[in-house]
Amino acid sequence: NAGVTQTPKFQVLKTGQSMTLQCAQDMNHNSMYWYRQDPGMGLRLIYYSASEGTTDKGEVPNGYNVSRLNKREFSLRLESAAPSQTSVYFCASSYSAQRFSSGNTIYFGEGSWLTVV
Amino acid sequence: GEDVEQSLFLSVREGDSSVINCTYTDSSSTYLYWYKQEPGAGLQLLTYIFSNMDMKQDQRLTVLLNKKDKHLSLRIADTQTGDSAIYFCAETVTSGTYKYIFGTGTRLKVLA
Repeated sequence: NAGVTQTPKFQVLKTGQSMTLQCAQDMNHNSMYWYRQDPGMGLRLIYYSASEGTTDKGEVPNGYNVSRLNKREFSLRLESAAPSQTSVYFCASSYSAQRFSSGNTIYFGEGSWLTVV
Repeated sequence: GEDVEQSLFLSVREGDSSVINCTYTDSSSTYLYWYKQEPGAGLQLLTYIFSNMDMKQDQRLTVLLNKKDKHLSLRIADTQTGDSAIYFCAETVTSGTYKYIFGTGTRLKVLA
């Protein structure tokens, strides 16, 4: 069971370089999310896509762009990487972003460790 | 504002009980969750509690919810070394569309 798959797992970038983090889910979920995790700050939402064809800003969107390519895939792009973007990035998905239910939990990928030097 | 707070560290001896605490701010949260993150891995759902419940028990895990004080706790009975991980609580917030607000995570260290 693949669940949520994100690539790459590790990446080192130079300041100013661009890169795209890829994410795919095979659970037929409608909603997908990108979070970043920093020490002592928990997870912060960067962008989310409530359904195919829509994207919305989260808590910390500056410096990022996203694309919901289709129902399965949601990519995160850093156009000009900065050292402040050194972090662990998590893609996640859930059935719906419009309602809560006991079965509507959020599932996470394994994480992508990004270092910007 | 939306905020979820947890203490950063907890250390217990193997076989003892662990209690991880969390406070949240949004009284309209319908579900509250506990996630576990092992080193180098993503977050995995441990358990959740619906807001109209006071307690939920699932094997070694007991979740207590005090809605009046907006306080959530996770008790792990007979803590094992495999329980060493970071534990996140999360509240769900509905403002247009809903979102999860995660706490800072509590790093649990189990001493043999």
